[in-house]
Amino acid sequence: DAGVTQSPTHLIKTRGQQVTLRCSPKSGHDTVSWYQQALGQGPQFIFQYYEEEERQRGNFPDRFSGHQFPNYSSELNVNALLLGDSALYLCASSLAGDGYTFGSGTRLTVV
Amino acid sequence: GENVEQHPSTLSVQEGDSAVIKCTYSDSASNYFPWYKQELGKGPQLIIDIRSNVGEKKDQRIAVTLNKTAKHFSLHITETQPEDSAVYFCASGGSYIPTFGRGTSLIVHP
Repeated sequence: DAGVTQSPTHLIKTRGQQVTLRCSPKSGHDTVSWYQQALGQGPQFIFQYYEEEERQRGNFPDRFSGHQFPNYSSELNVNALLLGDSALYLCASSLAGDGYTFGSGTRLTVV
Repeated sequence: GENVEQHPSTLSVQEGDSAVIKCTYSDSASNYFPWYKQELGKGPQLIIDIRSNVGEKKDQRIAVTLNKTAKHFSLHITETQPEDSAVYFCASGGSYIPTFGRGTSLIVHP
């Protein structure tokens, strides 16, 4: 049973560029949440997608957007990258919001 | 919004000792309290969770206690082993969207 798959695993971007991160949820899960984890910190909630709609959003600017597809997979897009966006981006899937399963994350470095 | 405080930030123990990590939360409406273990280069892994209608839950060497009146909950690991070394996060949330603490780096010395 495949868990949560994220791609790519590592990414280096230049300030001002745009980036798209991808997530395939665990089989049977219908909800996808995205978190940003800075070095030495706990994960910070970005947003959650359910039934292809953003259900809840954390305290992140509009530069962060997302999408969920009919097969429950999801994308996180970040526009106009800043140096401070460098972090580990984690995707978590769940069934009706119960019992998150996290992927291994995408390490984004903005230079 | 919810605020979760976690202590200590670092915990060093000898193999076989017990380890306790404590968290407090601010939102009295929170009803779900999971604990995660994160190893280097990996995402957090759920190790145990507790809901607000339960005071204690055990799973082998791991136990979690919850005091809703005081708004604090704790993780207890008994008979620690070197493979328990990792960063542990507590989290608190309503509607199953957890807010995480800043993490505790547990080091178990052989």
